[in-house]
This record gives sequence, structure tokens and C-alpha cells, in this order.
Amino acid sequence: AQSVTQPDIHITVSEGASLELRCNYSYGATPYLFWYVQSPGQGLQLLLKYFSGDTLVQGIKGFEAEFKRSQSSFNLRKPSVHWSDAAEYFCAVGPSSAGNMLTFGGGTRLMVKP
Amino acid sequence: EPEVTQTPSHQVTQMGQEVILRCVPISNHLYFYWYRQILGQKVEFLVSFYNNEISEKSEIFDDQFSVERPDGSNFTLKIRSTKLEDSAMYFCASSDWPGADTQYFGPGTRLTVL
Repeated sequence: AQSVTQPDIHITVSEGASLELRCNYSYGATPYLFWYVQSPGQGLQLLLKYFSGDTLVQGIKGFEAEFKRSQSSFNLRKPSVHWSDAAEYFCAVGPSSAGNMLTFGGGTRLMVKP
Repeated sequence: EPEVTQTPSHQVTQMGQEVILRCVPISNHLYFYWYRQILGQKVEFLVSFYNNEISEKSEIFDDQFSVERPDGSNFTLKIRSTKLEDSAMYFCASSDWPGADTQYFGPGTRLTVL
């Protein structure tokens, strides 16, 4: 069965600092990978996705993520964090032969210090 | 930009009561999904729906749950007799195609069962 692990539950960074959020997946084939962001009181907004091709994908709000098959990882990065980036970030994988559902990681809550 | 909408944003109900959560998917999308997120836990898949029938469902989606597309725009989730453990944020999502296509999420309905 597919699974997603986000090892960091909470991360705090200073505004202007770089950010990397980790995501590891377990999947039997080439995965489709997603990062979603959830701001307080909001729904899940798609940041970026990887289906195939270039392993470095660009998303909205200055985010990027790199797919590394050898490490089963899809880490999210941003070179300079803004206070408005404070939110919860979810990595997800899917669909698979089991169906079209997304399987989510547990999320990483990002706090930004001024 | 088209978006998925959900009503109500917050629903409070007594244990044993029926609730209906409503969603309006993106208008040209054909695949619809419900997910839930119990406070502090992962986002979990409940059910997917296509062509007026359930495509897939998780083990969470038992006989107490049902889904319906009563007209050309709405997609509903009904919980027949709510339990305390049904308290969660319920997200509706839609996609143009199944498989690798992106699922777009609504803002969620927070259900509180007392």
C-alpha cells in the first residue's frame, strides 16, 4: 500500500531564511506527487505537482520541489520565506492501481519568526 | 478562477442526528471526492464518485455514509446517524479526469458532533 511520511511535525524558520520540508513516500510504481498548503481556516491549495519529466518542479508562491527516486523523496523548498507562508503543508501521493484517491502525509506546520 | 465551494462552513449536531454536507464542484469536472481530517490527524480519503455512482470507497465509508449528486451542480455527503468520532473537517474535491489529474479541494466543512 502507498504511504507518505513527513518527518517534521513542526518547523520554525526566520523570515527571509530558506526552507525545506521533507516528504518520503512508499509506492510501487512511478508516483504522482503533490504538495498542498492549508492556511488557518482555509482549504487545501495545490502548490505544485509532479507527474513525469523534469524532476525539479516549480509551483506557486515561489515554491519548488525535487523528485528523487533513489531516495523516495519529494522535498519542498523555498529560498526565502515570507511571514504569509506560515501554514500547514501536506505532501500527497496518488493515484495508484488501488484507485484515484490521494494518500496524504501527516503534514508539517510551518511557523515564521519575524 | 473556478473553485470548489462547500456549505456550511461549520455544522454542529447532536449525536444520532443526520447531517448533509454540501459541495459544488468545479463546473466541468466529472470526478468528485470526499476526504476528512480529524483534528490533529492526516487527511483521509472517504469516497470517489463518477457517472452517478461510487467509484471507490475506503473502509471508513460504511453504511452510515452516502453520497449523491442530486442535480447538475451539487454533490452531497450524508451521515445517517452521527457519532462523536465523526467530528472532523470534511473536504470535497473534484477533478477533470481520474488518474493523474489534479484534485481541487474546497474550503471544508467543520462538523462537530456533541
